[in-house]
Amino acid sequence: KNEVEQSPQNLTAQEGEFITINCSYSVGISALHWLQQHPGGGIVSLFMLSSGKKKHGRLIATINIQEKHSSLHITASHPRDSAVYICAVGVGSYNTDKLIFGTGTRLQVFP
Amino acid sequence: EPEVTQTPSHQVTQMGQEVILRCVPISNHLYFYWYRQILGQKVEFLVSFYNNEISEKSEIFDDQFSVERPDGSNFTLKIRSTKLEDSAMYFCASSVAGGPADTQYFGPGTRLTVL
Repeated sequence: KNEVEQSPQNLTAQEGEFITINCSYSVGISALHWLQQHPGGGIVSLFMLSSGKKKHGRLIATINIQEKHSSLHITASHPRDSAVYICAVGVGSYNTDKLIFGTGTRLQVFP
Repeated sequence: EPEVTQTPSHQVTQMGQEVILRCVPISNHLYFYWYRQILGQKVEFLVSFYNNEISEKSEIFDDQFSVERPDGSNFTLKIRSTKLEDSAMYFCASSVAGGPADTQYFGPGTRLTVL
């Protein structure tokens, strides 16, 4: 069983649509990370959260620690949002915080 | 804005050869990581490094792998005798602190192709 599960695996949307990507995890975590992977392969950190909700521009991330679930929302989606969105959980201690990754959600936004 | 850099961007090698992948973490960062992503699969943790020693390693990180911080800026991953299944994108990451409140910054990756 995967420790981090994401859904959906693939998502297509029309420009302007509201998008939700879900993540569930089964291990104890230090924090949950949302990352974006571009077609060229580069990985960019979007959010790190351990409780509640964070917002950055059109992106919103929420986490429910009791339910071990997080969501990433994109409001007013745009073709430039097309990428793979990855949920990862931090599992660590004082000298390490390795990330366990989900399989990613491939998002395509069409004009 | 400071960023993590990796060289080379693409390395092609013959099976059985040694390769060294290089990373320059962000200068004030203290915690360093290597991850890999086999084509079409999820990113996997390889090893974490702090205070000049390995703090955690995965099952993938066997005796063929080693890491080193040879000077104050570079962080290297060596694969002693490459196998076909080592072909993957290798990402270096760094963070200021290793605990739960810290973001990891990723390099652009090195694509390793083993023939």
